[in-house]
Amino acid sequence: DTAVSQTPKYLVTQMGNDKSIKCEQNLGHDTMYWYKQDSKKFLKIMFSYNNKELIINETVPNRFSPKSPDKAHLNLHINSLELGDSAVYFCASSQTSGGRTDTQYFGPGTRLTVL
Amino acid sequence: AQSVAQPEDQVNVAEGNPLTVKCTYSVSGNPYLFWYVQYPNRGLQFLLKYITGDNLVKGSYGFEAEFNKSQTSFHLKKPSALVSDSALYFCAVRDGVSGGYNKLIFGAGTRLAVHP
Repeated sequence: DTAVSQTPKYLVTQMGNDKSIKCEQNLGHDTMYWYKQDSKKFLKIMFSYNNKELIINETVPNRFSPKSPDKAHLNLHINSLELGDSAVYFCASSQTSGGRTDTQYFGPGTRLTVL
Repeated sequence: AQSVAQPEDQVNVAEGNPLTVKCTYSVSGNPYLFWYVQYPNRGLQFLLKYITGDNLVKGSYGFEAEFNKSQTSFHLKKPSALVSDSALYFCAVRDGVSGGYNKLIFGAGTRLAVHP
């Protein structure tokens, strides 16, 4: 059973297009995240949602808009794609109890290539 | 701000030999430290974490990590390396944000190559 899943696994698109990446977790967690891994494998957090509420926004360009329809899903929509957006995007989830966040579990990643 | 450093880009070890992947941290307050592994074209897999308690933490796949407060280190270790351990290893520290929530700050990663 897949704990954190992402679709699509690969995404190749042209500059200027708009695309979405979907993430779902079946762990019953209440907090979800998006991380970006660049070409040098450096990982950096982008967003975090707790119970559908945005709690972390790491000064990401406003072309990136996360949406959480429910606490099991966190989608990432990217407008006007640029070459620099090419990266691997990872979704993660964790359970926050008593205000202390437990271990984050990651999805398989979505490799976005902007041509 | 919290940070972690992984001083080695790559570690090479022969199969059957012990391995160590180094991590040092800089935090204000008590550190919450994690190790993740990324196999080629795969997501990150959680290996182990240190929150409190014993300085030697045991994790998945025979890995363990030693928390050393005086040296601000959290090195990942395994007594006998396998070729299948070859992967990219990330050390991370939990950084608190307002409201009691947290994010992970990752090191740059260390590529482990285990040779037959």
